[in-house]
Amino acid sequence: DVKVTQSSRYLVKRTGEKVFLECVQDMDHENMFWYRQDPGLGLRLIYFSYDVKMKEKGDIPEGYSVSREKKERFSLILESASTNQTSMYLCASSFWGAAQPQHFGDGTRLSIL
Amino acid sequence: AQSVTQLDSQVPVFEEAPVELRCNYSSSVSVYLFWYVQYPNQGLQLLLKYLSGSTLVKGINGFEAEFNKSQTSFHLRKPSVHISDTAEYFCAVRDPRSNDYKLSFGAGTTVTVRA
Repeated sequence: DVKVTQSSRYLVKRTGEKVFLECVQDMDHENMFWYRQDPGLGLRLIYFSYDVKMKEKGDIPEGYSVSREKKERFSLILESASTNQTSMYLCASSFWGAAQPQHFGDGTRLSIL
Repeated sequence: AQSVTQLDSQVPVFEEAPVELRCNYSSSVSVYLFWYVQYPNQGLQLLLKYLSGSTLVKGINGFEAEFNKSQTSFHLRKPSVHISDTAEYFCAVRDPRSNDYKLSFGAGTTVTVRA
């Protein structure tokens, strides 16, 4: 079974802090994704990566950056956290190919106070 | 660009009754379609996908979906639900020719199954 592991289930941070969300997958997937999930909005793509050190902006990249130094690990960084970044964050991974499904982690519920 | 509309935000249903979750998409090209389920406090799990071929797609846990190109719809059905089907369900679409493999998700439908 594919395992996508997000380092924290719940996280509370303060405005202005730099926040790191970590994601690790164990299936040698080329693609990795970060989404945020908000009620009534579904999932919105923040960034994705199709290879080590490669990244592409999604629909809502403002206020976020990412890092992919190793194939299995994809980090989401909130440079200076703000209250409007309080949300559920989901990491996903997939093999290369449009028909390949994405496999999701259990999510990190992040609260910015 | 593709977009997805899930026509119902909440669907209450009694145990052992049938359920249908409606999904419409807009796209000028052929698309791949997916249904995902999210159980409470978990990530998303793939239920089924449509790539090509037969318009009736069978998935896990007794779910099936029908692709209708003329209606641009991909409705999800289950003939008899269980309490354990209480979850949020997401329809998603992808352009198979796109290099970014981006999934566009609907807003989700919350299914609550009552005894």
